[in-house]
Amino acid sequence: GAVVSQHPSRVICKSGTSVKIECRSLDFQATTMFWYRQFPKQSLMLMATSNEGSKATYEQGVEKDKFLINHASLTLSTLTVTSAHPEDSSFYICSRTVDHNEQFFGPGTRLTVL
Amino acid sequence: AQSVTQLGSHVSVSEGALVLLRCNYSSSVPPYLFWYVQYPNQGLQLLLKYTTGATLVKGINGFEAEFKKSETSFHLTKPSAHMSDAAEYFCAVHTGGFKTIFGAGTRLFVKA
Repeated sequence: GAVVSQHPSRVICKSGTSVKIECRSLDFQATTMFWYRQFPKQSLMLMATSNEGSKATYEQGVEKDKFLINHASLTLSTLTVTSAHPEDSSFYICSRTVDHNEQFFGPGTRLTVL
Repeated sequence: AQSVTQLGSHVSVSEGALVLLRCNYSSSVPPYLFWYVQYPNQGLQLLLKYTTGATLVKGINGFEAEFKKSETSFHLTKPSAHMSDAAEYFCAVHTGGFKTIFGAGTRLFVKA
């Protein structure tokens, strides 16, 4: 069964609103989780590394004030897209690592900003 | 720095034919190598991985891959394609730290 869940699976919002995406590790406490963004027909782009109890580590070019990450517990990381705009529309995927950094991915969240 | 190159963004095979998806990597240290599969509007699922030991690794759904250090390759194969194999396939490399580098992906089409 799934070991990483995401909620919601799909969200449509108006431009200017904020959207929160939850990522849960169901079977294991995860001190580190990852957030990816995937544009249509493209590969995954790592946005940030979510660290339990501390600040997230953002990749170069990712606006930390726009993509707020909170990892308040060992099983939950959240990504909030603030003041969303149409260009933020994308598929967002979270993951956690296992041995040798094999990753378990969530099912993804399709964000559409109108 | 490590990198992953997947040759061919699209591969089309007939049902029952051999599947070969190519992956080359660059790494200054022994890598961990992965193949993931992604079905439409879903997350990625691990097909197989190479860490150490036997260089020919077998995964789910009849897929296998061979780590060839001299060629810096980790090509994915399946002897006989099935319609259900149609998906996007990603090769990935991890060489330490927390980051995994993904290839651009190869979309596999299977024709009846």
